[in-house]
Amino acid sequence: SQQGEEDPQALSIQEGENATMNCSYKTSINNLQWYRQNSGRGLVHLILIRSNEREKHSGRLRVTLDTSKKSSSLLITASRAADTASYFCATYSGGSNYKLTFGKGTLLTVNP
Amino acid sequence: EPEVTQTPSHQVTQMGQEVILRCVPISNHLYFYWYRQILGQKVEFLVSFYNNEISEKSEIFDDQFSVERPDGSNFTLKIRSTKLEDSAMYFCASSRAGGVDTQYFGPGTRLTVL
Repeated sequence: SQQGEEDPQALSIQEGENATMNCSYKTSINNLQWYRQNSGRGLVHLILIRSNEREKHSGRLRVTLDTSKKSSSLLITASRAADTASYFCATYSGGSNYKLTFGKGTLLTVNP
Repeated sequence: EPEVTQTPSHQVTQMGQEVILRCVPISNHLYFYWYRQILGQKVEFLVSFYNNEISEKSEIFDDQFSVERPDGSNFTLKIRSTKLEDSAMYFCASSRAGGVDTQYFGPGTRLTVL
């Protein structure tokens, strides 16, 4: 698998439930960023977590990072139909290339 | 809140034609990027740009591609002779401080090559 692989590939839940998406990566990172993409639209930045951080919160979002396991999770609590989107993790490995490497994403469907 | 803007939102072109995709990054950002996403696939890095030069380019970014910052606000991606496989959504992004900082993405330009 490649840098930044999310699972599950698709997740369907009911409104009000929590949604957890996972991301694994291969090489060491400087930071990991989560993005949301509504169908056919742009990428909206959600959270950036640095390699020396273990957990970050933003509203209903909670991101954890385990560098020993090279994995991250995104938890959305009390989901809403408007949370329906694809969620991507993207890693920055450091250096002067500045590039983000994206995973394939998790398609989250929140049913009303 | 400042945001990255891109024009046009959709571009249709014939194979072999040149296209220029335009982006206005966030005004106090210094690092600029182009990514692309072929339908149903992951977002792929094309090029990063800082201090008026390319910092890094991927293997996708061959001689048919070029980037330019023609003035203090615009950042462009030119594809000299489009191919069918160039059909994709192209995203511009910018950040204040390179890879250690959040990259903010524009809404994308959907390029369709016929």
